[in-house]
Amino acid sequence: SQQGEEDPQALSIQEGENATMNCSYKTSINNLQWYRQNSGRGLVHLILIRSNEREKHSGRLRVTLDTSKKSSSLLITASRAADTASYFCATANSGGSNYKLTFGKGTLLTVNP
Amino acid sequence: DADVTQTPRNRITKTGKRIMLECSQTKGHDRMYWYRQDPGLGLRLIYYSFDVKDINKGEISDGYSVSRQAQAKFSLSLESAIPNQTALYFCATRGQLTDTQYFGPGTRLTVL
Repeated sequence: SQQGEEDPQALSIQEGENATMNCSYKTSINNLQWYRQNSGRGLVHLILIRSNEREKHSGRLRVTLDTSKKSSSLLITASRAADTASYFCATANSGGSNYKLTFGKGTLLTVNP
Repeated sequence: DADVTQTPRNRITKTGKRIMLECSQTKGHDRMYWYRQDPGLGLRLIYYSFDVKDINKGEISDGYSVSRQAQAKFSLSLESAIPNQTALYFCATRGQLTDTQYFGPGTRLTVL
């Protein structure tokens, strides 16, 4: 079953605007990751935030994590047409030998030039 | 050269045929994964392997089998393909000291 659920399912914005995507999950996590997928291609890792972290930045990306609400958000600032892609959150279970990622269904972001 | 490669990239087959999808990696990672992606459903884990002697079922392993021939190679087989196995299949790897997964380009499989 899906652990992470992204919201919204689809988002359309103009170039230069900020894009915010949210992810909710159900069980305790070791870390939460965001991946990007261009149409029909493999996923590319964007950023990872650990359960003891609240905010992380990487270039135009900002991720927040609220473990009390079991939610995360991904903010892309000053969006570009090239940011058009699907974005997935993935939660890692609480470590151990059975460590694996569970992916959400994704948010399709369209950035219009 | 790509670090994680998948062959074939596209495959059309008929119901009942045996199909093998192959994944190779040059990243030196010990952990390898097979996922399937269906429209609107995200990625679901089929099988994963932490080393050559360790194979584990994921959430949707029925109808699939895997083989870890070497640290760098992880194959997914459909013994008797059925139409609802039509999907995009991804292989991924992860190193022992990283939490990030690295994905191959995917194999688009169509079962008629």
